[in-house]
Amino acid sequence: GAVVSQHPSWVICKSGTSVKIECRSLDFQATTMFWYRQFPKQSLMLMATSNEGSKATYEQGVEKDKFLINHASLTLSTLTVTSAHPEDSSFYICSALGGSGANVLTFGAGSRLTVL
Amino acid sequence: DQQVKQNSPSLSVQEGRISILNCDYTNSMFDYFLWYKKYPAEGPTFLISISSIKDKNEDGRFTVFLNKSAKHLSLHIVPSQPGDSAVYFCAGRNTGNQFYFGTGTSLTVIP
Repeated sequence: GAVVSQHPSWVICKSGTSVKIECRSLDFQATTMFWYRQFPKQSLMLMATSNEGSKATYEQGVEKDKFLINHASLTLSTLTVTSAHPEDSSFYICSALGGSGANVLTFGAGSRLTVL
Repeated sequence: DQQVKQNSPSLSVQEGRISILNCDYTNSMFDYFLWYKKYPAEGPTFLISISSIKDKNEDGRFTVFLNKSAKHLSLHIVPSQPGDSAVYFCAGRNTGNQFYFGTGTSLTVIP
């Protein structure tokens, strides 16, 4: 089946540094990828829609200068949390459209970010 | 703005019985609905889906029902098994191909 690989699975960084999370579709091409954030015991919150070769579309309230998204190829999207602060600590999950079906999102395993 | 809501944060069911997980939505433009299963510290995995033009879709032990007039969908698992214990998220897709998720329901199947 379709696989989305996300790396790193866990990262700890100091406040003020930037962290990059990669999301790859391993056996299918994904023109559209999505980045979600999950707080403890809360829903998956859609942060942005990443389209290959164009600028990402951010949801209301998500700072685009804070969360930089790049989708340079049909199999890779990256999320960079710039100048991270403790309140950015969260579980970030990417997903790709396609693979298991045109209407189905395939998720990565998620990346836990802890900002000290 | 929470477009998809799951009002029951948790549910406990005896093994072999039916599990019914409910979901309500507010966006009438959703044209596709999905259920995902999630274990801690893992990404969600796709379970079953339904198009807005249908009212029922069945796949093995899993059946999803859609009531468009009530903007309500439900997932039935029968018979429930201990391995079904997980958090279940429902999601709605809008015409812009964006997916919005509910807050999840934690299902515990008691052996």
